Amino acid sequence: DGGITQSPKYLFRKEGQNVTLSCEQNLNHDAMYWYRQDPGQGLRLIYYSQIVNDFQKGDIAEGYSVSREKKESFPLTVTSAQKNPTAFYLCASSILSGGSGNIEQFFGPGTRLTVL
Amino acid sequence: AQKVTQAQTEISVVEKEDVTLDCVYETRDTTYYLFWYKQPPSGELVFLIRRNSFDEQNEISGRYSWNFQKSTSSFNFTITASQVVDSAVYFCALSEANFGNEKLTFGTGTRLTIIP
Repeated sequence: DGGITQSPKYLFRKEGQNVTLSCEQNLNHDAMYWYRQDPGQGLRLIYYSQIVNDFQKGDIAEGYSVSREKKESFPLTVTSAQKNPTAFYLCASSILSGGSGNIEQFFGPGTRLTVL
Repeated sequence: AQKVTQAQTEISVVEKEDVTLDCVYETRDTTYYLFWYKQPPSGELVFLIRRNSFDEQNEISGRYSWNFQKSTSSFNFTITASQVVDSAVYFCALSEANFGNEKLTFGTGTRLTIIP
C-alpha cells in the first residue's frame, strides 16, 4: 500500500527533552512537509523539503529541526527550545508542480505530542 | 501574501439538512489552485477537491458541490442531505504558482457536526 506513515501515534515527553517524530512515505514524492495543528488555529507549516539534503523554514520553525537524508524520510525533532510543544503534528508529501501550484498534498495519520 | 479565511468556526445541522461551508481567499497571483480537505476524528486529512484559477465551473460529486467565484474570491463547499459521517473538520487551502517555493496555505477550518 502506498502512503505516509507517522510514528508514534501518541508521544509523551518531559519538559526539557528533545523528541523526534518519524515520517516515512513510499509514494516517491519529492516534497515533504511538517505541520502543527492546535485547536482553532488550523494547520501551520513548520518545515518543508523539496529535495534530499535541502529544506526550508515554514511559518513557525523556531524550536524545531528537520533532516532529509533520504527521499522517503523526513523526521522532525522538537527541541527543548520549543516553548509550547503540545500539539498534533501532521506530515505530508506531494509531487513538485514545477511552478504550476498544483500540489495536492497527501497526509499521514499524525502524531499527538503531549509535554508533561 | 496569500491568505485563506474560513469565518465559520463551528456549524451544527440536523441530519439530512443542506449545509454550506464558506472559504474566502486572498492572492496577488493570477495562477493558483484551491483545495478542500476533510479531517475526520481519526486526524488524517483527506483530499476532496482541487480547482485551478482558470476553471470557474462549479463541480458536483455526489452530495458534495463546490462553487468557485473569482469575483468574490470565494470557493464555497455545500453538502446536500447531510449525514452523520460528514461530521469532521473541513479545511480550505490555497497554493500559488511559485516555482521553488511550493506550499499550501490553509484556513483555520470549520468544524461540522451533523446531529442525528
